[in-house]
Amino acid sequence: GAVVSQHPSWVICKSGTSVKIECRSLDFQATTMFWYRQFPKQSLMLMATSNEGSKATYEQGVEKDKFLINHASLTLSTLTVTSAHPEDSSFYICSARDRVGYGYTFGSGTRLTVV
Amino acid sequence: SQQGEEDPQALSIQEGENATMNCSYKTSINNLQWYRQNSGRGLVHLILIRSNEREKHSGRLRVTLDTSKKSSSLLITASRAADTASYFCATDPWTSGSRLTFGEGTQLTVNP
Repeated sequence: GAVVSQHPSWVICKSGTSVKIECRSLDFQATTMFWYRQFPKQSLMLMATSNEGSKATYEQGVEKDKFLINHASLTLSTLTVTSAHPEDSSFYICSARDRVGYGYTFGSGTRLTVV
Repeated sequence: SQQGEEDPQALSIQEGENATMNCSYKTSINNLQWYRQNSGRGLVHLILIRSNEREKHSGRLRVTLDTSKKSSSLLITASRAADTASYFCATDPWTSGSRLTFGEGTQLTVNP
């Protein structure tokens, strides 16, 4: 089946630094990738949608200059949290959709802790 | 924004019992999907039901969809302790630019 590899699975960084999270589709071409954020005991909130080769579309309230998304190829999307602050600590999950059918495949998530 | 509402928010049952979770949504959909999430982990796709379907089964899972009421239910029969997880419904309008919108989730605890 379709597999999406997301790493790192967890990362601790200092305030003010930047962190990059990668999401790769291993056995299919991900035309569209989605980035979600999830706070403890809450649901997933969509942050942005990215199509290969295009600029990401951000949801209302999500700072595009803070959460940089790059989707340069059909198998790789990255989310960079710039100048991270403790309030950015959260669980970030990517999801990829292939060209055919209805399938969304999720990565295993990244636990970001900013200290 | 989350358009789905799920109830109950939390459900605690004994092994062997059935667990029913409900989901309501607000807009038109092409399909509705149910996902499972173990604590601190990614999502696992459980089942998808299309808007022209009313009921679907997969193993111990039974999903119903009532588009007139904009609601769906997930039934897990003969629950096991390993079923303990959060369960989310997600709607997909499947239009240009569509994406999944998640409900608030139900935390299921199955006690051995």
